[in-house]
Amino acid sequence: EDQVTQSPEALRLQEGESSSLNCSYTVSGLRGLFWYRQDPGKGPEFLFTLYSAGEEKEKERLKATLTKKESFLHITAPKPEDSATYLCAVKWGSQGNLIFGKGTKLSVKP
Amino acid sequence: DAGVIQSPRHEVTEMGQEVTLRCKPISGHDYLFWYRQTMMRGLELLIYFNNNVPIDDSGMPEDRFSAKMPNASFSTLKIQPSEPRDSAVYFCASSSPPGRMSSGANVLTFGAGSRLTVL
Repeated sequence: EDQVTQSPEALRLQEGESSSLNCSYTVSGLRGLFWYRQDPGKGPEFLFTLYSAGEEKEKERLKATLTKKESFLHITAPKPEDSATYLCAVKWGSQGNLIFGKGTKLSVKP
Repeated sequence: DAGVIQSPRHEVTEMGQEVTLRCKPISGHDYLFWYRQTMMRGLELLIYFNNNVPIDDSGMPEDRFSAKMPNASFSTLKIQPSEPRDSAVYFCASSSPPGRMSSGANVLTFGAGSRLTVL
């Protein structure tokens, strides 16, 4: 059973069409939930860390929220340059590493 | 800082050959991680080090894989012998020590990856 599940696998939006990406997790003792952006041919690039339910973080057109079992990445009025794969990861217990979901591939058409 | 530096960026080799991937972490980061990314399985942790000591290698697929960190500024991931199913992008990442939750610690910084193709 996957510990981190992202949905949808792929999302196609028109420029300006707002939407949300979901990340659900089954681990207990969450120490942090991380969002990364990955462009083709590059390594994941850090976006946000959320630590407790109710927390929200914003950066430009992106807003990340966290509940006890899932996180959402809201994209408001996206632009073509927002096209990328968005990865969610969790850190829990005494683990020093991150466990990643498989990602959501976002395409924004002009 | 130049970030996490990986080499080679691309490697094409034949089955049975030895492959060595290299990583230079960010100076001052004392955690180093090796991940493998494939379309089917996504990003999977292979092994991670803390202060040059391997902490968790449970993700290493089998004895053909080995990783070393001889000092704080260098790590290698070796595959010997390589097989076609090892074809993937291998990422190295580093982070500073876990600190206060709000301090920004725990954030992994990734290199650009090494794309391995085993024929």
